[in-house]
Amino acid sequence: KAGVTQTPRYLIKTRGQQVTLSCSPISGHRSVSWYQQTPGQGLQFLFEYFSETQRNKGNFPGRFSGRQFSNSRSEMNVSTLELGDSALYLCASSLGERYNSPLHFGNGTRLTVT
Amino acid sequence: QQQVKQSPQSLIVQKGGISIINCAYENTAFDYFPWYQQFPGKGPALLIAIRPDVSEKKEGRFTISFNKSAKQFSLHIMDSQPGDSATYFCAASRYTGNQFYFGTGTSLTVIP
Repeated sequence: KAGVTQTPRYLIKTRGQQVTLSCSPISGHRSVSWYQQTPGQGLQFLFEYFSETQRNKGNFPGRFSGRQFSNSRSEMNVSTLELGDSALYLCASSLGERYNSPLHFGNGTRLTVT
Repeated sequence: QQQVKQSPQSLIVQKGGISIINCAYENTAFDYFPWYQQFPGKGPALLIAIRPDVSEKKEGRFTISFNKSAKQFSLHIMDSQPGDSATYFCAASRYTGNQFYFGTGTSLTVIP
């Protein structure tokens, strides 16, 4: 079974621009979560989608948004980029039918904001 | 506020030794505690997980010890090998949500 696929692997953007990251979950997984990983903060939860609906949301500003499509694929958008948004963005999928389903992570998208 | 506190930040262990990483939490609603292993350039991978109805879970060389009253749990890696060199994250979640709270990670180096 193919794992979680994230594209692109690397992105370089300028302050003020916006960016869209993509995630294809493991086949059959209906839950997709997004995490921001930075050296000082570790992994911080952004949001989770299940069956095209946002089910949980972390404490990030409204510039961070996401969506999920009917095939469970998900996108994350960050508008008006700031230098502090530079991070590794990880997508994780899980079966999601019940809570506490193990997360399966992709290899992430490394975003650099200059 | 960090909901799951992890220590140490880094750890160096001799091959064959025992690696111990500790985590503590405050929210008594947490009821699922996984550990993840992350190699450079890769996403975290689930290593082992425990629920609070048991005090210990062992899978191969990896053991989770759980102390519900102290709100602490730890990962023990027995017979540590150079291939275990990675960053380890503890995490916790509530049954009523699929949101995981992660510790800040421990960089483990196992020297031959």
